[in-house]
Amino acid sequence: GAGVSQSPRYKVAKRGQDVALRCDPISGHVSLFWYQQALGQGPEFLTYFQNEAQLDKSGLPSDRFFAERPEGSVSTLKIQRTQQEDSAVYLCASSLAVSKSSYNEQFFGPGTRLTVL
Amino acid sequence: AQSVTQPDIHITVSEGASLELRCNYSYGATPYLFWYVQSPGQGLQLLLKYFSGDTLVQGIKGFEAEFKRSQSSFNLRKPSVHWSDAAEYFCAVGPHSTDSWGKLQFGAGTQVVVTP
Repeated sequence: GAGVSQSPRYKVAKRGQDVALRCDPISGHVSLFWYQQALGQGPEFLTYFQNEAQLDKSGLPSDRFFAERPEGSVSTLKIQRTQQEDSAVYLCASSLAVSKSSYNEQFFGPGTRLTVL
Repeated sequence: AQSVTQPDIHITVSEGASLELRCNYSYGATPYLFWYVQSPGQGLQLLLKYFSGDTLVQGIKGFEAEFKRSQSSFNLRKPSVHWSDAAEYFCAVGPHSTDSWGKLQFGAGTQVVVTP
């Protein structure tokens, strides 16, 4: 497919477990973003990459959250020792480029719904 | 602090009637402004965006939005809604400074219900 894909679509974890959420951006997209969307809320920014460089991780809620994009394509968001408050939909988005001279549309994936019991 | 406000949590509209969704922002300068739509089980889809220039912007699916600097608003409108427009709508603003060009800030969303 031509869009952003995310896997798994649904994840149930027991409190304390580690989870890994995957994002496959649109081919050729330089920028990749992660957002967290709690029930009934708008998406909240977590972090963003330009190629393999993580340029902003100011939205990560704690040091239990870690994101990587080692080859500048696929990205993984890892949550260690999950807590109930981590339950949310995690959205990934990609775009051609984001800079002062070029601000392109972010295309969103369908999200991964994480439920922590 | 920068903020995006969507005052209406929920709106019910009859099919064929007009729709207006409100968005107010608080920013130091004119930000980049966006409206996204989210249908159940779907990702966010961009309806339209405003960067500069003409303050009335046209988007997909017959939507338009008007930027009003004096009111710090970017309201979304559609003259005649279709049942397929039932969804959640999010207003978002992009950064205007160089500290983080990647970050979008979203409002809490407005749920639109369309009745026959």
